[in-house]
Amino acid sequence: NAGVTQTPKFQVLKTGQSMTLQCAQDMNHNSMYWYRQDPGMGLRLIYYSASEGTTDKGEVPNGYNVSRLNKREFSLRLESAAPSQTSVYFCASSDGQRGNTEAFFGQGTRLTVV
Amino acid sequence: GEDVEQSLFLSVREGDSSVINCTYTDSSSTYLYWYKQEPGAGLQLLTYIFSNMDMKQDQRLTVLLNKKDKHLSLRIADTQTGDSAIYFCAESMAGGFKTIFGAGTRLFVKA
Repeated sequence: NAGVTQTPKFQVLKTGQSMTLQCAQDMNHNSMYWYRQDPGMGLRLIYYSASEGTTDKGEVPNGYNVSRLNKREFSLRLESAAPSQTSVYFCASSDGQRGNTEAFFGQGTRLTVV
Repeated sequence: GEDVEQSLFLSVREGDSSVINCTYTDSSSTYLYWYKQEPGAGLQLLTYIFSNMDMKQDQRLTVLLNKKDKHLSLRIADTQTGDSAIYFCAESMAGGFKTIFGAGTRLFVKA
């Protein structure tokens, strides 16, 4: 099983450029998440989608938009990249129906904004 | 507010036990987790404990929960060089969609 697949793995953007990070899961999970990981700050939730057709803001949503395209796919868009968005981005999914909300993570996208 | 705190670094010798500590603030948390992140990879769930449990053992891993003090620990027995990684403590509520992660403890294992 592929689990959670993110693309691309690495990206360098110039300030002001836009891009979309793609994420797909093959575990039939209802919930999907986008996190960013910065040194010394752990993972911070950007947006999440509890189920297909819904999205909600997390802790640090400013500068980002998301789309839950279908049950499998959840994309993260940066409309106008800023150096403060340099980070490692992780997509995750979980079966929100069960009590144990174990999250399965993708390999991450390392984004540098110059 | 919700917060999970853990120390940033721990260094142990191969064969010794490692103890990674975590404190959390949300007393309504139902699940507490330990995730492991190896270099260049995403997080992987190591183990979790229900908030109504005091201890959980899984092979070399022992999780202790002190709910009164909101303190969680992960003990790794006979630590190996392959255990070198970042360990994240996390909390969530049943059916909840927000898992709160600590900053991660980087474990160095010296041969």
